[in-house]
Amino acid sequence: DGGITQSPKYLFRKEGQNVTLSCEQNLNHDAMYWYRQDPGQGLRLIYYSQIVNDFQKGDIAEGYSVSREKKESFPLTVTSAQKNPTAFYLCASSSQGGGQETQYFGPGTRLLVL
Amino acid sequence: QKEVEQNSGPLSVPEGAIASLNCTYSDRVSQSFFWYRQYSGKSPELIMSIYSNGDKEDGRFTAQLNKASQYVSLLIRDSQPSDSATYLCAVTNNNDMRFGAGTRLTVKP
Repeated sequence: DGGITQSPKYLFRKEGQNVTLSCEQNLNHDAMYWYRQDPGQGLRLIYYSQIVNDFQKGDIAEGYSVSREKKESFPLTVTSAQKNPTAFYLCASSSQGGGQETQYFGPGTRLLVL
Repeated sequence: QKEVEQNSGPLSVPEGAIASLNCTYSDRVSQSFFWYRQYSGKSPELIMSIYSNGDKEDGRFTAQLNKASQYVSLLIRDSQPSDSATYLCAVTNNNDMRFGAGTRLTVKP
């Protein structure tokens, strides 16, 4: 089955803790994206990567970090510098970068602060 | 001005009616337009994409694009209770895909 997987489904973070959200795709897509969704709001771009070993900041990158060591994987770390991390985090991929391609989404990770 | 604007709703229609969802965007050079459906607690799933002016039909769904008016819409014919969800409009230009906040649609049996 081709698709995008995210884990865990729910994640709890303590004050001052860094946590990492996993995103894996087997669609052979070049581009991958991380979005944050807050209640009643649209998706906001955190980071994106158009190719392995390269990534760019989106609109709300502060307090987050990413890596793209493999084509299939684009993990997101929520650092302690992100003061309001409670949100629904969505990973997406597209066959190419450039923003014009259809983006397909994983099932999401809901992050909650203890 | 928000880059992509949608009425938040809720939009309520009876089963079998036509639901009309609207979206306006501010960037005149936007090139690609998408409608996603998002059920509560789930991730968005693509319904339609449209790239040129006019109508594009896929089953019960029709997307309409008017670049001169910077307006894109989604019509859902013969609405079903299973269509009840939030519909997100997305607009792209080069490297950026921008999303509206979504319109919540409720189809009443």
